[in-house]
Amino acid sequence: GENVEQHPSTLSVQEGDSAVIKCTYSDSASNYFPWYKQELGKGPQLIIDIRSNVGEKKDQRIAVTLNKTAKHFSLHITETQPEDSAVYFCAASKLTGGGNKLTFGTGTQLKVEL
Amino acid sequence: DSGVTQTPKHLITATGQRVTLRCSPRSGDLSVYWYQQSLDQGLQFLIQYYNGEERAKGNILERFSAQQFPDLHSELNLSSLELGDSALYFCASSIGQRNTEAFFGQGTRLTVV
Repeated sequence: GENVEQHPSTLSVQEGDSAVIKCTYSDSASNYFPWYKQELGKGPQLIIDIRSNVGEKKDQRIAVTLNKTAKHFSLHITETQPEDSAVYFCAASKLTGGGNKLTFGTGTQLKVEL
Repeated sequence: DSGVTQTPKHLITATGQRVTLRCSPRSGDLSVYWYQQSLDQGLQFLIQYYNGEERAKGNILERFSAQQFPDLHSELNLSSLELGDSALYFCASSIGQRNTEAFFGQGTRLTVV
């Protein structure tokens, strides 16, 4: 089955700096790649996603890039703020007999320091 | 607030018991997903229902079962509980059945003692 690896497991940046989280996936048939942010005591919140027919997508301070050939995708957060501190998960999915099964990475604990 | 409602928020029960977790999807969403989050296994997909029918299955134990009712709410039943079943259980919902944005609820924290 699909396997998603995520790095780094922890990331500490200064406020205003950029943060980059990288993921690789194993199944070349995967075609949907969402990113989730999980704050303490809450459920994962979708922050951005990308489909395999697109190489890059931006939404204000957040961007995601996808390299299908290398089977990796990355989350970029610019001008980080303290409220960006959370655990970030990447995920991948493909069509499975009409269903949608997200395989998640192991998460990155991002800490934005003042 | 994602619009997905899960009850109860917390549940403490003894080994060998059976519990039922409930999920109400966002208005208009037809798909419901169940995920388990534990420290050692991370976020694991359990099962997906779309408009009342099972659509995808992950590593869901035989002791676990789920269903989606005509009003689209879903229940996850966990039986013969073991200490290792202690985890956060999340429900998510989406409009379509594949490759559409999934929105997660706040989760049910299950503690088996």
